[in-house]
Amino acid sequence: DTGVSQNPRHKITKRGQNVTFRCDPISEHNRLYWYRQTLGQGPEFLTYFQNEAQLEKSRLLSDRFSAERPKGSFSTLEIQRTEQGDSAMYLCASSLEVAGGYEQYFGPGTRLTVT
Amino acid sequence: GENVEQHPSTLSVQEGDSAVIKCTYSDSASNYFPWYKQELGKRPQLIIDIRSNVGEKKDQRIAVTLNKTAKHFSLHITETQPEDSAVYFCAAKWVTGGGNKLTFGTGTQLKVEL
Repeated sequence: DTGVSQNPRHKITKRGQNVTFRCDPISEHNRLYWYRQTLGQGPEFLTYFQNEAQLEKSRLLSDRFSAERPKGSFSTLEIQRTEQGDSAMYLCASSLEVAGGYEQYFGPGTRLTVT
Repeated sequence: GENVEQHPSTLSVQEGDSAVIKCTYSDSASNYFPWYKQELGKRPQLIIDIRSNVGEKKDQRIAVTLNKTAKHFSLHITETQPEDSAVYFCAAKWVTGGGNKLTFGTGTQLKVEL
């Protein structure tokens, strides 16, 4: 499978615990995005990387959230001290935005449930 | 920032009929407008997109139209089939200076009935 992959697919955690999600983008895609999707809503932008540089963060990304893309390949999203309001689907997308290519391709998501 | 509104929130059509979903955007600088299809429990899949230098784009049974003056774009599905049933999201992006994020609409649940 050469598409975007995410692990784990599901995560159940207790309030106050830390969780980490991983995203593997399509090979050679230079941009990687994180979105959050709650039931009945469209994805909401959290942050994006161009290669290893984190270039933009949404106001939705509180200081409990941190994302990395250390070698410009896979990325991790960590949520510290989880709250029930963090329960959502966390989607990763990647794109190769050179020469006019804007298409973002999404992974299957990690569904987080905070109890 | 950009705001995208999408209507209707639900749409039910008979198999073989056409379906139209409409979106409006607020930022006149937005210049890229993709549409995604999301089946229950699956990832959003890009089905068609349009850039601001084009007024219409068609791919088999799917077409998208863009009216930059009105800041309005629409998805048209002809000869609908049961497998078209899904949630459809429109989105907008300012490619050259808007931070590169997609701003999504709230989605349209399309149901194609036999």
